[in-house]
Amino acid sequence: KQEVTQIPAALSVPEGENLVLNCSFTDSAIYNLQWFRQDPGKGLTSLLLIQSSQREQTSGRLNASLDKSSGRSTLYIAASQPGDSATYLCAVTHNAGNMLTFGGGTRLMVKP
Amino acid sequence: EPEVTQTPSHQVTQMGQEVILRCVPISNHLYFYWYRQILGQKVEFLVSFYNNEISEKSEIFDDQFSVERPDGSNFTLKIRSTKLEDSAMYFCASSSTGVETQYFGPGTRLLVL
Repeated sequence: KQEVTQIPAALSVPEGENLVLNCSFTDSAIYNLQWFRQDPGKGLTSLLLIQSSQREQTSGRLNASLDKSSGRSTLYIAASQPGDSATYLCAVTHNAGNMLTFGGGTRLMVKP
Repeated sequence: EPEVTQTPSHQVTQMGQEVILRCVPISNHLYFYWYRQILGQKVEFLVSFYNNEISEKSEIFDDQFSVERPDGSNFTLKIRSTKLEDSAMYFCASSSTGVETQYFGPGTRLLVL
């Protein structure tokens, strides 16, 4: 059974810092990996999708990398801003189906 | 930009009552999903739906749950006899293919008393 883990569970940084969020998964047989943002009490906003054949994807200040063989992904946020404060979730799809398996998230606080 | 919408945003019900949660997926999408998130816990997959039938379901999705696409735009989740432990945020999602980006709705917060 696929297990997805995110470290750290919570992170507080001053505005302007570059930061890295980590995601690991136990079964490397994935189709793709998605990073989401969740604001308190709200839905999930898709940030980046990395196909299993890709090593990274970039969108603005966000860069996600994937090392499928070692079961790891990182989300790099450059020049963090208070508006980046949210919970960041990673999720993987399996080869066998389309369901997403989620990690527990990293709760990010960027202080002005 | 197209969005997944869900109604109601909040629902309070008594234990044992039936509830129907409604979703309107993005119009040209073919794959539909329900997930739930119990407060403080991970987002959990419930069921996926394609070509008018369930394509995958989790062990959570037992006989008390059902899904339906009653017309060309709506996708519903029915819980026949709610339990206290069904209290959660329920998210609908859709994707154009089974392995592309899944787009999530804002959720329905269900509280069972």
